[in-house]
Amino acid sequence: AQKITQTQPGMFVQEKEAVTLDCTYDTSDPSYGLFWYKQPSSGEMIFLIYQGSYDQQNATEGRYSLNFQKARKSANLVISASQLGDSAMYFCAMREGDYKLSFGAGTTVTVRA
Amino acid sequence: NAGVTQTPKFQVLKTGQSMTLQCAQDMNHEYMSWYRQDPGMGLRLIHYSVGAGITDQGEVPNGYNVSRSTTEDFPLRLLSAAPSQTSVYFCASSYGRGSSGNTIYFGEGSWLTVV
Repeated sequence: AQKITQTQPGMFVQEKEAVTLDCTYDTSDPSYGLFWYKQPSSGEMIFLIYQGSYDQQNATEGRYSLNFQKARKSANLVISASQLGDSAMYFCAMREGDYKLSFGAGTTVTVRA
Repeated sequence: NAGVTQTPKFQVLKTGQSMTLQCAQDMNHEYMSWYRQDPGMGLRLIHYSVGAGITDQGEVPNGYNVSRSTTEDFPLRLLSAAPSQTSVYFCASSYGRGSSGNTIYFGEGSWLTVV
């Protein structure tokens, strides 16, 4: 069974608007971590934001925020005030247990001027 | 991606050839791992290590071999390359579990083509 599901293969967003990328996860481990990574066309993996399963507050990092709904097993990424440089592939990932990461299939975001 | 170095960045192999993808980190991280990325499938874990001398299989280990003789290095070996191993490979490292382990560093990726 898929541990991480990203249902949006691709999205278009107008520059300066906000965009929400969906991520749902499946785990029975009470302690886990959720990550979002950005992969531009150059290929490197860029860490964006982290949310721990016991964190009370939703994580925020600059223009990135994570909408964590634990009961629904959802960890959506919100990018505010989109910029042309935000065009990339975005991956949601979950760490269970010690270290192993499971990744979703990714969402391609294209920002239009 | 400062701190995790992968080589080579690009490689073309013939079916049946062997090669080693190198990964080194200089941050004294306990955890190191190898992932492969195929179109439409995200990253999948091949092998990982929780410390020198300790390795274990991930989700897609077949056709790959690893060893961890030092904390710094975690090479990935393809013993007999197959076209199905054409992929982009990423090495990653981090500290152990806990808040410091939430920062996972990735190498820049190695593009491997098997013909």
